[in-house]
Amino acid sequence: GDSVTQMEGPVTLSEEAFLTINCTYTATGYPSLFWYVQYPGEGLQLLLKATKADDKGSNKGFEATYRKETTSFHLEKGSVQVSDSAVYFCALLASGGSYIPTFGRGTSLIVHP
Amino acid sequence: KAGVTQTPRYLIKTRGQQVTLSCSPISGHRSVSWYQQTPGQGLQFLFEYFSETQRNKGNFPGRFSGRQFSNSRSEMNVSTLELGDSALYLCASSFGTGDYGYTFGSGTRLTVV
Repeated sequence: GDSVTQMEGPVTLSEEAFLTINCTYTATGYPSLFWYVQYPGEGLQLLLKATKADDKGSNKGFEATYRKETTSFHLEKGSVQVSDSAVYFCALLASGGSYIPTFGRGTSLIVHP
Repeated sequence: KAGVTQTPRYLIKTRGQQVTLSCSPISGHRSVSWYQQTPGQGLQFLFEYFSETQRNKGNFPGRFSGRQFSNSRSEMNVSTLELGDSALYLCASSFGTGDYGYTFGSGTRLTVV
């Protein structure tokens, strides 16, 4: 079945450091890919998405590129802030109409001043 | 526009009791999904309703049930509560196919004692 694998956290960085959170997936066909972010005490928020190979999703300085050849959708940000501290979830929505995304386990990011 | 609203935010119940959680989706969204989030298991899909019909169901026992009303508002019910049901319950809504991502509520924190 479909699955999403994320790097385990926590990822601990200093402010202004470069961020990469790895995400790889297993799915048949051509899924859509998403990154969600969950701040403490809140629900998940859609951060960015990509719907086909080589698409780049971007939002709030975060970027991720849909790489079909490596089945990856790594999240990157050039300069993190303390306010980026949160849990990040990678997800896929399979083509073919199940309508239910498959989520990774989440990666906690801690940014120190 | 108003987001996804979940009520109540916090609940404390005793083993054996039942509980009902409520979710009001974004206006125009016809799909409502429910997830259980725990530190050990991550995000687990409970069920999804679309136009008052259960369209998808996860692997949870029959003690977990839900419904959707004609205005798309949804409720989930857990009967005969167990300690292991303690979790954050998240509701998410979408237009119907999930291609544009899901909008999550802030969740209901259920504690079973």
